[in-house]
Order: sequence, then structure tokens, then C-alpha cells
Amino acid sequence: SQQGEEDPQALSIQEGENATMNCSYKTSINNLQWYRQNSGRGLVHLILIRSNEREKHSGRLRVTLDTSKKSSSLLITASRAADTASYFCATDARNYGQNFVFGPGTRLSVLP
Amino acid sequence: GAGVSQSPSNKVTEKGKDVELRCDPISGHTALYWYRQSLGQGLEFLIYFQGNSAPDKSGLPSDRFSAERTGGSVSTLTIQRTQQEDSAVYLCASSLDPGLSRETQYFGPGTRLLVL
Repeated sequence: SQQGEEDPQALSIQEGENATMNCSYKTSINNLQWYRQNSGRGLVHLILIRSNEREKHSGRLRVTLDTSKKSSSLLITASRAADTASYFCATDARNYGQNFVFGPGTRLSVLP
Repeated sequence: GAGVSQSPSNKVTEKGKDVELRCDPISGHTALYWYRQSLGQGLEFLIYFQGNSAPDKSGLPSDRFSAERTGGSVSTLTIQRTQQEDSAVYLCASSLDPGLSRETQYFGPGTRLLVL
């Protein structure tokens, strides 16, 4: 597996349901960030969690980080059709010999 | 305020030609990043500029790729002797100051490059 690898690759849910996406990585990191990309557009930063943090919230988003398992999860609660996008995790491991690594993303479809 | 801008938005070129892609970061941002995204794939890191430090070129896929950042602001990514596999969306991002824990990257809309 590669650094910053998300799963599932694709997720389809009904509006109002929660969506959970996971990210695994290999090296120690400075921080981990989640981004969203709407089709054909640039990426938008969602949330950053540092290596010494375990959980962060932002609106309907909740991110967890487990450095012992080298994994993170992004939870979107009460999903909306507008949440339909690709979600990427990005690891910043500049202090550990790696630069920024984005995973292949999870494509989320929220059906009305 | 103005975000990150990139030009051109689309570029079609013939195999073997050189192309230049431009990125204007957000004013005051010290860090600038270039990525490449192939269709349906994640982002591939290419190069990173931070202030006056030597750029991190570890992601450049071959010596046909080069980038420069003049005056700590605008950056140009140059691809020489383009190949069909260079076809992708090239994304630029900037951040305020990663050294001061302001690492959030702000992305431009990208340049879609098609090599025929």
C-alpha cells in the first residue's frame, strides 16, 4: 500500500446518512490533512490534525488520528447531496524524510 | 481576496514540444507546491518551494521537468520535450508559512495539459 491510502475507493450513501472514510499511511508524520475535490476543480482544505492530536471537529466533520496504527478517519455526519466529491488525505512528513503525499482518494456519492 | 491562480487553464500541445505552466500564489504565502493529477487518480507531489531555501525537487519524474520561483512569488513549471504520459492536470498550491505551523494548502484550479 502507498503512503496516504484511502479506503474505500468509492462510497455511495443516502442523504442524511453518515459517511466514514479511512486513510492509512506508512511513515511518521508531522500532520495529516483532509481535502475535498469537486469534479474538475481544485482541492479545498477541510481539516488538519497534528501528530499529537487524536480528534478534531469542524462542523459536520470529525477527524480522528491513531498514530500507533498510522491511520486516520474522516466522518461526515448528516450527509447532503452537496457533499458528493472526492476526498483525499494528505500526509506531511517533512521531518521524516518525506514530503507531502496524497492518497488516491475516496469518491463519495450522496444520493438525494 | 484573490486565491491561487494558474494559467493557462487548458493547454494542448504536440509530443516533443516544450510547455510552460504558470502559478500565481496567494500574496504573502512563502510556500508553493506543484502537483500532478492524472485522470481519476490522487495527487503526485512534484516540487516544493519554501522561502529562500533550496527547492525540494524530489518529486520531479524526470529531468524534462523543471520549475522556478522568481522573487519568491510567481512560479513556472516547464516540461521539455513533452510526452503523451505527461497529460494530466497540474495543480499549484501555496501556504502561508509551514515553518510556523500554517500548513494549510490553498489550491489553484489547475492547468489541464493534453499532449497529442
